[in-house]
Amino acid sequence: DTEVTQTPKHLVMGMTNKKSLKCEQHMGHRAMYWYKQKAKKPPELMFVYSYEKLSINESVPSRFSPECPNSSLLNLHLHALQPEDSALYLCASSPFGSGANVLTFGAGSRLTVL
Amino acid sequence: RKEVEQDPGPFNVPEGATVAFNCTYSNSASQSFFWYRQDCRKEPKLLMSVYSSGNEDGRFTAQLNRASQYISLLIRDSKLSDSATYLCVVISSGAGSYQLTFGKGTKLSVIP
Repeated sequence: DTEVTQTPKHLVMGMTNKKSLKCEQHMGHRAMYWYKQKAKKPPELMFVYSYEKLSINESVPSRFSPECPNSSLLNLHLHALQPEDSALYLCASSPFGSGANVLTFGAGSRLTVL
Repeated sequence: RKEVEQDPGPFNVPEGATVAFNCTYSNSASQSFFWYRQDCRKEPKLLMSVYSSGNEDGRFTAQLNRASQYISLLIRDSKLSDSATYLCVVISSGAGSYQLTFGKGTKLSVIP
């Protein structure tokens, strides 16, 4: 069982819908990440929260909106997505905020945009 | 030159074979290196960290060659369950921040 929990596992949404992906970890990790992964490609970094503050935004379109309510939770709010946004969205955490350490991934949320 | 490069494969090997993957990196100031394993439609999972002195975990051996700027992963006595995509990860620092870069992954298929 993964120590990073993501919900939902699967999500189908229309281009006008608003939905959210959720991620939770109770390992006391201080950095949390959102990655996007398309088939047969490596994960692509979207956002990094370090000590609950957004530290990296890799020029992600504003239709993706991250939120870190506390040190254990990370959300990704989705609005007006495009079909090309369909992908596996992976949450990860690491012990320290510096980024120079091991990532633990959640099982991912597989998103389909119709 | 891409920052982190891997041979995408696929590597198709029979059970019991020994197989090795390399991953080259362009930033000579890179500090930390890892191998992750990703099964189809699953998340990446840490396989092993790569230390300067080399390290071994059962059938798996990881090596770092700083002079030639590559890391390697050797799998001995391949099992069917080793079939997966192997991603190398390189962490570099600069301008007060760290950058974690994934290679594109090498696909391994172990055949009965």
